Amino acid sequence: KAGVTQTPRYLIKTRGQQVTLSCSPISGHRSVSWYQQTPGQGLQFLFEYFSETQRNKGNFPGRFSGRQFSNSRSEMNVSTLELGDSALYLCASSLKSGANVLTFGAGSRLTVL
Amino acid sequence: QQPVQSPQAVILREGEDAVINCSSSKALYSVHWYRQKHGEAPVFLMILLKGGEQKGHDKISASFNEKKQQSSLYLTASQLSYSGTYFCGTEEEKLTSGSARQLTFGSGTQLTVLP
Repeated sequence: KAGVTQTPRYLIKTRGQQVTLSCSPISGHRSVSWYQQTPGQGLQFLFEYFSETQRNKGNFPGRFSGRQFSNSRSEMNVSTLELGDSALYLCASSLKSGANVLTFGAGSRLTVL
Repeated sequence: QQPVQSPQAVILREGEDAVINCSSSKALYSVHWYRQKHGEAPVFLMILLKGGEQKGHDKISASFNEKKQQSSLYLTASQLSYSGTYFCGTEEEKLTSGSARQLTFGSGTQLTVLP
């Protein structure tokens, strides 16, 4: 079956702009989590959505937001981009909400200039 | 709270063994291990639950010491394909008010296996 699909794979933005990233989970998976990956910091949890509801949120500023649609697809948005937002953003899906087995997408690599 | 992984990096020859540790200051309910190869998505390896047994997968196994809130990943007779960054993810036993269960990942251990 198809894996987790993230688009776009690469993008370059400038400071102050905003960006929207998309994630299509594995069919049947209702939970989508987002992580920010930077060198040396590992995987930092952004938020999790389950059945269109945000279930949990990490320690990121309000510029980071997300949503989930009725088909379980999810988007995350970062407004007023800063240089420090440059990172690989990973989306992961799972059958249930919470600390379950995660299937990750290949990520969206964001570079902020 | 982010678990602490050690070592940060390890280089070994094919056939050698390695141990990666993951420690938390919080009481844990479960520990998850993932491996990420360069340029690829992290891939699930195994879960260890509180009260559960040591897990194994081919020549990769792991243990969970509930008293020390520590997990160790053992790679035996390393193969070239084992190269990558290993992440542990921890699930705390007690939830703070209003929060839901989630995984908190460590900063990773970069493993390089040389021929």
